[in-house]
Amino acid sequence: EPEVTQTPSHQVTQMGQEVILRCVPISNHLYFYWYRQILGQKVEFLVSFYNNEISEKSEIFDDQFSVERPDGSNFTLKIRSTKLEDSAMYFCASLGQQNQPQHFGDGTRLSIL
Amino acid sequence: AQSVTQLGSHVSVSEGALVLLRCNYSSSVPPYLFWYVQYPNQGLQLLLKYTTGATLVKGINGFEAEFKKSETSFHLTKPSAHMSDAAEYFCAVYGTSYGKLTFGQGTILTVHP
Repeated sequence: EPEVTQTPSHQVTQMGQEVILRCVPISNHLYFYWYRQILGQKVEFLVSFYNNEISEKSEIFDDQFSVERPDGSNFTLKIRSTKLEDSAMYFCASLGQQNQPQHFGDGTRLSIL
Repeated sequence: AQSVTQLGSHVSVSEGALVLLRCNYSSSVPPYLFWYVQYPNQGLQLLLKYTTGATLVKGINGFEAEFKKSETSFHLTKPSAHMSDAAEYFCAVYGTSYGKLTFGQGTILTVHP
C-alpha cells in the first residue's frame, strides 16, 4: 500500500537555526497537510496545501513557518528561526479524494536545544 | 468550527474485556469522523471512518464505532481487548471534506493480562 514518508525521523537543532522537514506524499494525492504534536498534547493542525498554494493555516503557522512543494514529489515544512517551543513531533499527511481519510507519515521528531 | 472531546485520557481494561473509548464532537456542518491509532514512536494509522451512510462502521483489528447524531457521539468499541491493542487512540473530525482534521486529546489504552 502506498505510504507517506517523512525524513528525517529525528532532527536535533540549536535554537535560532533553520530547519527543513521533508515529506513525500502518496504520488497521486492532491491535498497536503502538516500537523504537530507537542509531547503529551493532542495533534494540532498547522497548514493545508492544494494546487500549489496554502489553502488554510492555523494561528500557530506564523511568519517563521513556510511550506513548499519544490518538485512533483516533495512537500517541505521550513521553520526559519527555531524556538524551544517548536520541539514536537511533526506529521505530514496527504489526501487523494475529498471525503476520504488523510494518510499520515510516521513523523519527524524535532528537538530544539 | 469543529471540536472533539475524548472522555478519559487513560482507559485500562483486562485482556478479553470490552473496550469503549468515548468521543463527542461539535460541528457546524455534517461531520466526517475518524478514529486513528498511534503506537509508540509511530505515526497515525486509520482505524475507521464515517462519512455518510451506515452509522455503524467497522474498522481494522476488530474495532467498530457508531455515529449517533442525536448524541453527537462517535464512540469506539471492541468486544474483546488484546494486548496488542495497547496504544493511543485519537478521534478526529473534518469540517469540510478535504480540510483540516481537528483531533481530540487522545486516549491511552492499557491492556492488562
